[in-house]
Amino acid sequence: RKEVEQDPGPFNVPEGATVAFNCTYSNSASQSFFWYRQDCRKEPKLLMSVYSSGNEDGRFTAQLNRASQYISLLIRDSKLSDSATYLCAKSTGGGNKLTFGTGTQLKVEL
Amino acid sequence: DTAVSQTPKYLVTQMGNDKSIKCEQNLGHDTMYWYKQDSKKFLKIMFSYNNKELIINETVPNRFSPKSPDKAHLNLHINSLELGDSAVYFCASSRGTGEQPQHFGDGTRLSIL
Repeated sequence: RKEVEQDPGPFNVPEGATVAFNCTYSNSASQSFFWYRQDCRKEPKLLMSVYSSGNEDGRFTAQLNRASQYISLLIRDSKLSDSATYLCAKSTGGGNKLTFGTGTQLKVEL
Repeated sequence: DTAVSQTPKYLVTQMGNDKSIKCEQNLGHDTMYWYKQDSKKFLKIMFSYNNKELIINETVPNRFSPKSPDKAHLNLHINSLELGDSAVYFCASSRGTGEQPQHFGDGTRLSIL
């Protein structure tokens, strides 16, 4: 089993839709989790850190469920500009090694 | 005012050659990383340095040798390049080693002919 698993998609949604991605992880020792966004032929950019209590940043909400070992990302009111690949990542201590999922591709359409 | 910058952005070279990629960060971070993203877009850590000291080495062939002259720079030298080395190499940095978000450079696209 991979350490971090994501549905590769693509998720094709109309503008204005709400879309949610899940990401499951193994190794419960992982303490910190992140969502990154990667546009085609660009670098990953930090979207948000994920906290146990859940956190929100504008149209984006991230949740962490340690019991079931998954994190989620909810995007409300999707914009065309949200089209990208969304990578979840977990950090394991001892050097802040980030382990990434393979990414979920989102396409927002008119 | 780029935070994490890499050079070159593109590198096309023949199999068997030796090449280097440079990375610099102006964020004042202590920790720097090299990642490889292969053709299937899977992003995997290769090395990490904290304050010029190697702390992560992820079973990378010893043809790859990182060097950190100071905490703002982390370079990657690759000897005897092979076809399988073709990938995008990303440098990243973070404030420290304590499970903090990492900030990525814009990548070096390496193509081996």
